[in-house]
Amino acid sequence: QKEVEQDPGPLSVPEGAIVSLNCTYSNSAFQYFMWYRQYSRKGPELLMYTYSSGNKEDGRFTAQVDKSSKYISLFIRDSQPSDSATYLCAITLGNQFYFGTGTSLTVIP
Amino acid sequence: GAVVSQHPSRVICKSGTSVKIECRSLDFQATTMFWYRQFPKQSLMLMATSNEGSKATYEQGVEKDKFLINHASLTLSTLTVTSAHPEDSSFYICSARDLSASYEQYFGPGTRLTVT
Repeated sequence: QKEVEQDPGPLSVPEGAIVSLNCTYSNSAFQYFMWYRQYSRKGPELLMYTYSSGNKEDGRFTAQVDKSSKYISLFIRDSQPSDSATYLCAITLGNQFYFGTGTSLTVIP
Repeated sequence: GAVVSQHPSRVICKSGTSVKIECRSLDFQATTMFWYRQFPKQSLMLMATSNEGSKATYEQGVEKDKFLINHASLTLSTLTVTSAHPEDSSFYICSARDLSASYEQYFGPGTRLTVT
């Protein structure tokens, strides 16, 4: 079993839709939970991070962690065409980073 | 936010030659830098972890004699692809951890290597 599982998509939504991106993980000892956004031919960009169960909001983005279910989510409200990218979840344990495979998102104008 | 740069952003080289890629943390110190490889529409594949002043730790299946990593200072790590072959063509991305924020990893913009 992989440490982190992420549905690769692709996911295609109309502009203005709410997007839900999800990852599951296997090790309850994981400490920090992050979401990265990667545009085509660019390096990943850190969007949000959290370390506790619950929700963390930043503008149109909400990161949610459910440690009891080992499940993390990223919600994007009022999605825009500029949100079209690949979204990767990442989870850390000490110096180890574990990345999901990434979900490709396209927001159609 | 923290900035990581990579140079060059794109390089084309002939088969058999060596290519050096630089990764710099511009506004923070990084004891640890990571090198990743990414194929089209695939996720990041960790190649090696580079610690300042010590030898890099390579992931299983990554040839350390082919992918030479040097982490000479807290702001610079280099990856040299030796005797490059067309199958080495890929997108190489480095990242660095900020000493003051252990949970964060900042990525460079990537280097696209094409070996002809």
